Amino acid sequence: GDSVTQMEGPVTLSEEAFLTINCTYTATGYPSLFWYVQYPGEGLQLLLKATKADDKGSNKGFEATYRKETTSFHLEKGSVQVSDSAVYFCALYSSASKIIFGSGTRLSIRP
Amino acid sequence: DVKVTQSSRYLVKRTGEKVFLECVQDMDHENMFWYRQDPGLGLRLIYFSYDVKMKEKGDIPEGYSVSREKKERFSLILESASTNQTSMYLCASIRVPSTSYGYTFGSGTRLTVV
Repeated sequence: GDSVTQMEGPVTLSEEAFLTINCTYTATGYPSLFWYVQYPGEGLQLLLKATKADDKGSNKGFEATYRKETTSFHLEKGSVQVSDSAVYFCALYSSASKIIFGSGTRLSIRP
Repeated sequence: DVKVTQSSRYLVKRTGEKVFLECVQDMDHENMFWYRQDPGLGLRLIYFSYDVKMKEKGDIPEGYSVSREKKERFSLILESASTNQTSMYLCASIRVPSTSYGYTFGSGTRLTVV
């Protein structure tokens, strides 16, 4: 069945460092791909999305490119801030009409 | 702004109690979902619904049931709460067929069973 694998955390970086969180997927066809973010004590919010191969989703300085050949959707940000500390979930919209989530990566940014 | 509202942010219940978690969305979305979130386990799907009075089991339905009498409301029921059901519960909805916008989530209900 469909699945999402993302790098395990926690990830700890200094402010202004470059961020990459890896995500790969297994799915039938070409599903829509998402990154969600969860700030402490809150529900999940959609951060960015891509609906077809080579699409680049972007928001709040974060980017991810839908790579069909490597079945990947890695999240990147050039310069992280303390306010980016959160849990990040990679996800796909599966053929079974529901979203499949990765296990989440906790990101902590040091001032 | 579109919203998914969960009735309680924090809830404490006793073992054996029947517990109702309510979720309401104002977006006229067809599909609604209940997940639980636990450290190290990510989000696990409990139940979902494609339409009024319809329900489908997710990955971990044991010990739970659901009700969807109206399109905007999807209730999760813990028939007899147990301590291993202590968790964060998240409700979500999505419009079909425009699934490219993903889910809209509620803020979550943190349930503690004592």
